[in-house]
Amino acid sequence: AQSVTQPDIHITVSEGASLELRCNYSYGATPYLFWYVQSPGQGLQLLLKYFSGDTLVQGIKGFEAEFKRSQSSFNLRKPSVHWSDAAEYFCAVGADSNYQLIWGAGTKLIIKP
Amino acid sequence: GAGVSQTPSNKVTEKGKYVELRCDPISGHTALYWYRQSLGQGPEFLIYFQGTGAADDSGLPNDRFFAVRPEGSVSTLKIQRTERGDSAVYLCASSLNPSFQEQFFGPGTRLTVL
Repeated sequence: AQSVTQPDIHITVSEGASLELRCNYSYGATPYLFWYVQSPGQGLQLLLKYFSGDTLVQGIKGFEAEFKRSQSSFNLRKPSVHWSDAAEYFCAVGADSNYQLIWGAGTKLIIKP
Repeated sequence: GAGVSQTPSNKVTEKGKYVELRCDPISGHTALYWYRQSLGQGPEFLIYFQGTGAADDSGLPNDRFFAVRPEGSVSTLKIQRTERGDSAVYLCASSLNPSFQEQFFGPGTRLTVL
């Protein structure tokens, strides 16, 4: 069965510092992978997605993620975080049987001034 | 243009009552998804519509949960005989077609069962 693990429940980063959020997945074939962000009172917003091709994908708001098949990982990175990046981040894998998304538990990003 | 909207934004009900949660997808989106998000968890798939029909309802937890989309646009999630464990945020998403193109999410309905 497909599953997604986000090992870090919370991460605290200083404003201006770099960020990496971890995501590991379990899936038998080439996965469809997503990162979404959820801000308080807002709907989930897609940051980026990987379907195939170049394993380094660029997203909105300066985020990028790298697909590493050998490690079953799809980690999200940003070179310099801003206070407005404080939110909860979710990694998800797509189930091609019905197009549902299977989600990790999320990582809450806290930004220190 | 308008995004996905959900009403009400908050719903407080008593155990045993019936509730309806509404989702207005983006106009022209044929695929519609319902998810449930409990505190501290990622969303959990409930049901997926393609047009008017429920293409996959395997995520509905039991027969107290039911969803409809009679005209292929607005969808209503119905919960009978609510239980305290039903308390969660119910999320709706739509996409242009059933695929892994972007699913656009609404802000959710927070359901609290007392």
